[in-house]
Amino acid sequence: ILNVEQSPQSLHVQEGDSTNFTCSFPSSNFYALHWYRWETAKSPEALFVMTLNGDEKKKGRISATLNTKEGYSYLYIKGSQPEDSATYLCASNTGGFKTIFGAGTRLFVKA
Amino acid sequence: DAGVIQSPRHEVTEMGQEVTLRCKPISGHDYLFWYRQTMMRGLELLIYFNNNVPIDDSGMPEDRFSAKMPNASFSTLKIQPSEPRDSAVYFCASSLEAGQFFGPGTRLTVL
Repeated sequence: ILNVEQSPQSLHVQEGDSTNFTCSFPSSNFYALHWYRWETAKSPEALFVMTLNGDEKKKGRISATLNTKEGYSYLYIKGSQPEDSATYLCASNTGGFKTIFGAGTRLFVKA
Repeated sequence: DAGVIQSPRHEVTEMGQEVTLRCKPISGHDYLFWYRQTMMRGLELLIYFNNNVPIDDSGMPEDRFSAKMPNASFSTLKIQPSEPRDSAVYFCASSLEAGQFFGPGTRLTVL
């Protein structure tokens, strides 16, 4: 059984704080790791897809790293803004495009 | 591009009725996914297609659920007969190589 776990479940930060959260996944048969940003009442939006061990991706103030050998990925947000408030989902697939989602980290950024 | 289109956006029906959810993927995408999102179970993959062919339907909860993709631009998810526990948001997503693009979802309420 493939389990994707994210921590923390929720996070409250002040505007301007930098923050990070973790996604852990089984490292066997790894194919790709996805990060999504999901705002309330909207559909998930793809942030990053990473496939190679040591991959680092960046999009504005958001970046992510990947360690496929130990089975974890970190998502970092630099200088959090209220508009960053959302649920951040990670998802792992082992090929064949069968993607298993974690439960998400709910981020609240207070102005 | 209009993105992934789903209809209806909201559906309220009575237990025992047939429900059909519709999805139009992004033109050119060869993978299509159906997900169900509930508070208890989060985001679950139900079934996915590649080039209109169902590849993995192991996430389909039971025989009351069926999905078809008669052509590259259209897919349906049918529930017959519907039950109150089927109430959820159903997302369709499509992808070409990596990273899925989600539709807005259909919120289903079965009374």
